[in-house]
Amino acid sequence: GDSVTQMEGPVTLSEEAFLTINCTYTATGYPSLFWYVQYPGEGLQLLLKATKADDKGSNKGFEATYRKETTSFHLEKGSVQVSDSAVYFCALRATGNTPLVFGKGTRLSVIA
Amino acid sequence: GAVVSQHPSWVICKSGTSVKIECRSLDFQATTMFWYRQFPKQSLMLMATSNEGSKATYEQGVEKDKFLINHASLTLSTLTVTSAHPEDSSFYICSVPVGSNREQYFGPGTRLTVT
Repeated sequence: GDSVTQMEGPVTLSEEAFLTINCTYTATGYPSLFWYVQYPGEGLQLLLKATKADDKGSNKGFEATYRKETTSFHLEKGSVQVSDSAVYFCALRATGNTPLVFGKGTRLSVIA
Repeated sequence: GAVVSQHPSWVICKSGTSVKIECRSLDFQATTMFWYRQFPKQSLMLMATSNEGSKATYEQGVEKDKFLINHASLTLSTLTVTSAHPEDSSFYICSVPVGSNREQYFGPGTRLTVT
């Protein structure tokens, strides 16, 4: 079945450091890919998405590019802030009305 | 975007009792809602798909008699954990697919602790 593998955390970075969180997927067909963020005590929020190969999703300084050849959707940010501390989930969706398949999540802590 | 609420946000119950968790789509009519379970420091695992007007579809390994789902209306789905045990303690999250893209909006979650 479909699956998502993302790098295990926790990841601890200093403010203004560069962030990469790796995510690879296994799926039949052409899934849509997502990054969700869960801030402490809050529900999941969509951070960005890409629906086809070579699409780049971006939001709040975060970016991820849908790479079909490497089945990857790595999350990057050039300069993290303390407020970016959260758990980040990579996810895929096979078709429009199917549920999301999540990776295990990566906890990011940014220290001042 | 759509607003999804859950009630209660947290609940503590004794073993053997039942607990009902509500998921409401506040500004969108939802024929489908998804229920997930999240263990501490782990990912979200899909439990079931709630369908308005028909039976829920459960994932393999999820006991349908233990986790009762009722999609009462186009804005409300409920998850009842029956005869709760400590191992049912978890974070339960619902989501609603919205719009032509079926983008999912998540509720804030309900933390259940069974003592």
